[in-house]
Amino acid sequence: DAKTTQPPSMDCAEGRAANLPCNHSTISGNEYVYWYRQIHSQGPQYIIHGLKNNETNEMASLIITEDRKSSTLILPHATLRDTAVYYCIVFPGGSEKLVFGKGTKLTVNP
Amino acid sequence: NAGVMQNPRHLVRRRGQEARLRCSPMKGHSHVYWYRQLPEEGLKFMVYLQKENIIDESGMPKERFSAEFPKEGPSILRIQQVVRGDSAAYFCASSPPGESGEKLFFGSGTQLSVL
Repeated sequence: DAKTTQPPSMDCAEGRAANLPCNHSTISGNEYVYWYRQIHSQGPQYIIHGLKNNETNEMASLIITEDRKSSTLILPHATLRDTAVYYCIVFPGGSEKLVFGKGTKLTVNP
Repeated sequence: NAGVMQNPRHLVRRRGQEARLRCSPMKGHSHVYWYRQLPEEGLKFMVYLQKENIIDESGMPKERFSAEFPKEGPSILRIQQVVRGDSAAYFCASSPPGESGEKLFFGSGTQLSVL
């Protein structure tokens, strides 16, 4: 089952940064942190992943604490289209399957 | 490069009928995953297949559900004798060879409604 803890919901003003926290205190050394999101009625979409270094791509930034027990997904300038459920997933790789928890429902308000 | 294609987008069945959900993975992808999402719930893993092989079916109900991914053609999720509790969104995802479960590309899903 999911090894992460996320707040059930968050709000963010349009144009501001959205910072979504995730706790994964039991993460193992070989496990990555993955973030997906699911916009209403659509399939999940991969956002970003990391092991221990901070990562950035065109969609978001991922900040992982030094002890790797928590991380934050940052959407630098949230838009209304970023309203979605965001899933933080710890994944060891190999032939394991992604296990989705309940995620954080982010609502971006105008 | 077309994404993961699922059809039909919506499927309505009466209790006792069969439902067949199809999934064409992205070109070059050889791993297929099926997930189910009940109303107001999270995504639940059902089955992981590679061409002609079921790798992990730990999330599949023991009865009435089956999945295949033949050498040629799409992956099929088959639900026999559907019941109202099977009403859900069914999502398929694929990944390329060498990258198994981590970076998945999902389809838009099939919404199954059982009357």
